[in-house]
Amino acid sequence: NAGVTQTPKFQVLKTGQSMTLQCAQDMNHNSMYWYRQDPGMGLRLIYYSASEGTTDKGEVPNGYNVSRLNKREFSLRLESAAPSQTSVYFCASSESLQTGTSAGEQYFGPGTRLTVT
Amino acid sequence: SQKIEQNSEALNIQEGKTATLTCNYTNYSPAYLQWYRQDPGRGPVFLLLIRENEKEKRKERLKVTFDTTLKQSLFHITASQPADSATYLCASRNYGGSQGNLIFGKGTKLSVKP
Repeated sequence: NAGVTQTPKFQVLKTGQSMTLQCAQDMNHNSMYWYRQDPGMGLRLIYYSASEGTTDKGEVPNGYNVSRLNKREFSLRLESAAPSQTSVYFCASSESLQTGTSAGEQYFGPGTRLTVT
Repeated sequence: SQKIEQNSEALNIQEGKTATLTCNYTNYSPAYLQWYRQDPGRGPVFLLLIRENEKEKRKERLKVTFDTTLKQSLFHITASQPADSATYLCASRNYGGSQGNLIFGKGTKLSVKP
């Protein structure tokens, strides 16, 4: 089991460029999440997908779009990168609470370190 | 608004001592609290969960308490080792969003000196 995988690990973009961060999980989880982590700010939720076919905004969605491609994959797209989007991005997954066995503990990928110049 | 706070940004202790980290929450009553460990350059790793009807939970050298009167959870590492050095995050369910959503504290960076 690889758990949660993310690509790429590092990326440098120029302002205005676009890119897609990829995330996949092999734990058969229903729910997936994208966070950004900045010094002094902690983890902030960008978007989440409670189940395949649904996506919703989190705390800081502006400038991002997501696609839940299937149950395994959840991608994050920056259409026009800005320096304020320089951050470390984490993807996570969890079982849904409806299973009755989960309290929503999340499993994280290794992160993507993005720099926008 | 719901807030979850970890009062200390950093905690330095000597090897062998017990490390105690604090997590406080305001403006809501979470059904559970979770604790994660994050090493530099890596994603957080789930450690322990405690539910509101549990006073204490243990896992090896880790102990978590949940005091709904004080609105606080304490995370203890007994007989600490340099390998325990990491940032520890507490998290709880965000009632404003989807059921699985969490809000995270900013973390406490623990350094255990030999």
